[in-house]
Amino acid sequence: EDQVTQSPEALRLQEGESSSLNCSYTVSGLRGLFWYRQDPGKGPEFLFTLYSAGEEKEKERLKATLTKKESFLHITAPKPEDSATYLCAVQGLINDYKLSFGAGTTVTVRA
Amino acid sequence: DGGITQSPKYLFRKEGQNVTLSCEQNLNHDAMYWYRQDPGQGLRLIYYSQIVNDFQKGDIAEGYSVSREKKESFPLTVTSAQKNPTAFYLCASSITQGGHGYTFGSGTRLTVV
Repeated sequence: EDQVTQSPEALRLQEGESSSLNCSYTVSGLRGLFWYRQDPGKGPEFLFTLYSAGEEKEKERLKATLTKKESFLHITAPKPEDSATYLCAVQGLINDYKLSFGAGTTVTVRA
Repeated sequence: DGGITQSPKYLFRKEGQNVTLSCEQNLNHDAMYWYRQDPGQGLRLIYYSQIVNDFQKGDIAEGYSVSREKKESFPLTVTSAQKNPTAFYLCASSITQGGHGYTFGSGTRLTVV
């Protein structure tokens, strides 16, 4: 069964203090790894898809990287508006009908 | 603008009552999904549908039912057999299965009263 573990559960940052979120996964062949942002009381918003080890994607202050066992979401010089829960999900080659999600990392950025 | 619309935003269910959550998309996506979100847990798949008039059970289908009579619509019924229905329910869609991210709706929060 595909599994995703995210750490830490919560992260409190000062504005401008860069940090990284971890997503460890086990999957029977990776079709894709996905990062989403979720604000309180709202649905997840798509950020990135990564398909193979070594791949990197960037969007504003966010950068996602992928290895064979984990993915990192780097937040560079965060602002208060980056406060959200960040979800990681994988889609395997066998269970390709669904995304398997981690529990998320809640990031709070203080001004 | 294309997207997924879930309604209502908040729903209250009495004991023994069935309730239906609406999900409509205008993205022309073939696949649609229902997930349940509980605090401290990852999203869990309830049901999914890859084409009209066909749907499959996910990981936690007991106490739920769905229909897919139209490509645009995938309603979820929470039956009285679901003993712990209080949760945040998310509907999603994708172009096809395999390698594509989902587009999510804004969610329905269901509370048992």
